[in-house]
Amino acid sequence: GAVVSQHPSRVICKSGTSVKIECRSLDFQATTMFWYRQFPKKSLMLMATSNEGSKATYEQGVEKDKFLINHASLTLSTLTVTSAHPEDSSFYICSASFRGQGNQPQHFGDGTRLSIL
Amino acid sequence: QQQVKQSPQSLIVQKGGISIINCAYENTAFDYFPWYQQFPGKGPALLIAIRPDVSEKKEGRFTISFNKSAKQFSLHIMDSQPGDSATYFCAARKGWNQGGKLIFGQGTELSVKP
Repeated sequence: GAVVSQHPSRVICKSGTSVKIECRSLDFQATTMFWYRQFPKKSLMLMATSNEGSKATYEQGVEKDKFLINHASLTLSTLTVTSAHPEDSSFYICSASFRGQGNQPQHFGDGTRLSIL
Repeated sequence: QQQVKQSPQSLIVQKGGISIINCAYENTAFDYFPWYQQFPGKGPALLIAIRPDVSEKKEGRFTISFNKSAKQFSLHIMDSQPGDSATYFCAARKGWNQGGKLIFGQGTELSVKP
């Protein structure tokens, strides 16, 4: 099946640091990628949708200058958390859907656990 | 209108029993309803999905029942096993053949006791 790889799986860094998370579609061309944030025992909260070659669309309440999203190719999207603070600590998950006929399900990566000290 | 309401929040089932999770939606423009399974520390994995022109879909021990008039759909896990213990999310999306955004339910934490 379709595979989405997310890296790193876990990152711990100091407050004020910027952190980049990569999301790669390994065996298909991802025309659309999604970035989610998930708090413990909570549902997935969509942060933004990115289409290859165009600017990301952010959900209401998500700071686009804080969470920079780049979708430069059909297999790679990145999320950069700029000047991270402890309140940015969370589980970040990406997903991707691919160009094609018929239904296009979303395939999820295994998430990145971000801890800001 | 954009919400998907999921219940129960948590569920404990004995091994071999049937697990039932329910979801309800308001937006009649939704036409794709997937269920995802998530283990701790992992991303969600697509389990099974249904379109509203079908009332039931079965894949192995997993069945989706869909009631279009009531705007409800449910996941049934037959012969539940301890390995099924996970969090389950229902979701809905507009556009069967489009890569649009999913609206997720609140999640159900399932525990299957041996």
